[in-house]
Amino acid sequence: DVKVTQSSRYLVKRTGEKVFLECVQDMDHENMFWYRQDPGLGLRLIYFSYDVKMKEKGDIPEGYSVSREKKERFSLILESASTNQTSMYLCASSGPPETGGKLFFGSGTQLSVL
Amino acid sequence: QKEVEQNSGPLSVPEGAIASLNCTYSDRGSQSFFWYRQYSGKSPELIMSIYSNGDKEDGRFTAQLNKASQYVSLLIRDSQPSDSATYLCAVHNYGQNFVFGPGTRLSVLP
Repeated sequence: DVKVTQSSRYLVKRTGEKVFLECVQDMDHENMFWYRQDPGLGLRLIYFSYDVKMKEKGDIPEGYSVSREKKERFSLILESASTNQTSMYLCASSGPPETGGKLFFGSGTQLSVL
Repeated sequence: QKEVEQNSGPLSVPEGAIASLNCTYSDRGSQSFFWYRQYSGKSPELIMSIYSNGDKEDGRFTAQLNKASQYVSLLIRDSQPSDSATYLCAVHNYGQNFVFGPGTRLSVLP
């Protein structure tokens, strides 16, 4: 089974802090994604990466950056946390089309910014 | 703007009944179709994938795809209270990002 591991299940941070959310997958997937999910707004794509050291902006990249130094690890960085970044953050990875291109999610990080 | 639409619900069905969840999508080039189950406070869990027209069965779940009508559905037979969750439809066109629907909240009443 694919395993996508997010480093923290719950996180509480102060406004202005720099926040790191870590994600590791064990299936050698090329593609990795960061989403946030808010009630009534659904899943929104923040950033994605199709290869090591490669990153692309999603629909809502403002206030975030990412790092992909190794294939299995994709980190989301909140440069200066704000209260409107309080949300559930979901990391995901997907395999190639020849294996179905399925998208698998980590368990999520519920971030509260006070 | 590529879109995936779902009835937000809640859809309420009695225990033992068939729950029918529907999804329409706008991108005719979509090639892969997925259903996720998400319990409150948890992350989405992949329960079905379908790639060609017709039905695909897995246990109590059946996914149905009609590309001409741009329509995907999920049937849950013998619904159980543990099936109560939000079901997300996702559509993928290779080389582009996944597009998710807003989800349908299902409530199975004992």
